[in-house]
Amino acid sequence: GQQLNQSPQSMFIQEGEDVSMNCTSSSIFNTWLWYKQDPGEGPVLLIALYKAGELTSNGRLTAQFGITRKDSFLNISASIPSDVGIYFCAGQFGAAGNKLTFGGGTRVLVKP
Amino acid sequence: GAVVSQHPSWVICKSGTSVKIECRSLDFQATTMFWYRQFPKQSLMLMATSNEGSKATYEQGVEKDKFLINHASLTLSTLTVTSAHPEDSSFYICSGLSNYGYTFGSGTRLTVV
Repeated sequence: GQQLNQSPQSMFIQEGEDVSMNCTSSSIFNTWLWYKQDPGEGPVLLIALYKAGELTSNGRLTAQFGITRKDSFLNISASIPSDVGIYFCAGQFGAAGNKLTFGGGTRVLVKP
Repeated sequence: GAVVSQHPSWVICKSGTSVKIECRSLDFQATTMFWYRQFPKQSLMLMATSNEGSKATYEQGVEKDKFLINHASLTLSTLTVTSAHPEDSSFYICSGLSNYGYTFGSGTRLTVV
């Protein structure tokens, strides 16, 4: 089956720093999605990507759909404390409405 | 945007009992809903895909007789964990498919004691 490798698994941030994470797949996807999950909550959509090469921003967030359709990255610029949480990439293959495959998540923590 | 309401947000039950979790689409009709399970510090694992008016499609390794899914209307899907055991303790999340894409409920923390 399809698998998504997401890295890093965790990272520490200091306010003001830029953050970057990525996902790679062994197979292609038609759609890449990036979600943020806060403790005890469901994932919330941050950015959706629908075309290979697409670069999309949402405030301080920027994500790109890789040309090969097998990877995507998410950047967070000038991080703030509320950026702490778990970020998941998700890929969708085939017809719209097909199930999503999730990456393992990147846990963003604040530097002590 | 689309809103998915999931209840209860948490539940504690005794071993051997059954628990029902509800997932409602509040402002759209969800022909398709997805049910996920998430263990601590892990990703979301798809359990099943439910389509309104038909039987759910379960992922490999998920017991359909243990995790009963009903999607009798376009705005309500339910997951019933039957004969719950402590190992069923987990965070269960539903997701509805709308014109805005995949919208997730806020999850249900199930603890079986």
